[in-house]
Amino acid sequence: AQSVTQLDSHVSVSEGTPVLLRCNYSSSYSPSLFWYVQHPNKGLQLLLKYTSAATLVKGINGFEAEFKKSETSFHLTKPSAHMSDAAEYFCVVSGSNDYKLSFGAGTTVTVRA
Amino acid sequence: NAGVTQTPKFQVLKTGQSMTLQCAQDMNHEYMSWYRQDPGMGLRLIHYSVGAGITDQGEVPNGYNVSRSTTEDFPLRLLSAAPSQTSVYFCASRKRSPPQETQYFGPGTRLLVL
Repeated sequence: AQSVTQLDSHVSVSEGTPVLLRCNYSSSYSPSLFWYVQHPNKGLQLLLKYTSAATLVKGINGFEAEFKKSETSFHLTKPSAHMSDAAEYFCVVSGSNDYKLSFGAGTTVTVRA
Repeated sequence: NAGVTQTPKFQVLKTGQSMTLQCAQDMNHEYMSWYRQDPGMGLRLIHYSVGAGITDQGEVPNGYNVSRSTTEDFPLRLLSAAPSQTSVYFCASRKRSPPQETQYFGPGTRLLVL
């Protein structure tokens, strides 16, 4: 079985400052890890995914995440926040032999002008 | 490609009514699934299907039925709606393999049960 814990339910940043969203996972298998973003009243869009290749994964819109097996973490970062980054972000894990995704509770990002 | 489509976008039901949420995908994906999204709980898996004629229960299946007669369609049925089923419902699809394949989500259906 796998699970995900997003350590912050809400993050507030100023425009132009870095964003850090923290995610820890638990998995019995070599996990696949994903970050999805959901803008208000919209569906979910894939930001990036880790699939056992490079541990530093680059995604869309300037986001990247680093897989750290020793810390069972997959934190999401962006060097400079933009107003359009205001959204809810979900860290997601799936096992190597499992089609099912396990979602974290989500982190809401607010960007201050 | 239209991707994953869902209808309706929004629905209001009275307790005890039934309805079907429609989901279709045009990407020839074998795997389809239904999730519900509630505040502070992320998305939880209701039912999933690995191919036409094959369905299985997810984390929160009670009160919901599904069937998969074609690769393209995966409807979700509420037999007797309850206020606890007020939620936002997302359908998703992906290729069957490899396991790391991305899931693509529909735009969601907002359901309010009075």
